[in-house]
Amino acid sequence: NAGVTQTPKFQVLKTGQSMTLQCAQDMNHEYMSWYRQDPGMGLRLIHYSVGAGITDQGEVPNGYNVSRSTTEDFPLRLLSAAPSQTSVYFCASSYSHGLAGGETQYFGPGTRLLVL
Amino acid sequence: SQQGEEDPQALSIQEGENATMNCSYKTSINNLQWYRQNSGRGLVHLILIRSNEREKHSGRLRVTLDTSKKSSSLLITASRAADTASYFCATGGLGGAQKLVFGQGTRLTINP
Repeated sequence: NAGVTQTPKFQVLKTGQSMTLQCAQDMNHEYMSWYRQDPGMGLRLIHYSVGAGITDQGEVPNGYNVSRSTTEDFPLRLLSAAPSQTSVYFCASSYSHGLAGGETQYFGPGTRLLVL
Repeated sequence: SQQGEEDPQALSIQEGENATMNCSYKTSINNLQWYRQNSGRGLVHLILIRSNEREKHSGRLRVTLDTSKKSSSLLITASRAADTASYFCATGGLGGAQKLVFGQGTRLTINP
């Protein structure tokens, strides 16, 4: 299994540009999440999904959109990039909450985004 | 806002010594997890302790949880240079597995 994969690894954007960060998992996990990590800080939840067709907002959703058309993919869209969105973005997935050990999250390698 | 606060923010010890990191949180939890992050990499799950558990072991890791004090500790025994990383606690609330709330992390450096 490849686990959780993210593309691109690094991206530079100009203010106002839009882009999509890709995330895919091959573990048949129900839950997928997007986090951002700013220097010297922990991760903050942006959006999450409990299954295909179902998404919800996390702690810092403004400026981001998500969709979940398949179990495997969970793209994150930046609508109009701002310098405040410069960060490292991590995608994660986990099993169903109802299963023992299902709460463990598996993280992708991250996407470093620089907005000028 | 972040749920967990970790202490210390940075810790530097000699190889072979034990390392202890602490995490405090604010609201009721379903579980508490510890993750490791090597520089520039994604997070890796280390151990999960449920709200009805008080202590858990995994290899050289020992985690305790005190729900009355809303705190947890991670002990790494016989540290190795490869343990150098940032360590994060994350609380799982009643809302489900996908809504982990992370602390700011402890940066651990093991000196050879």
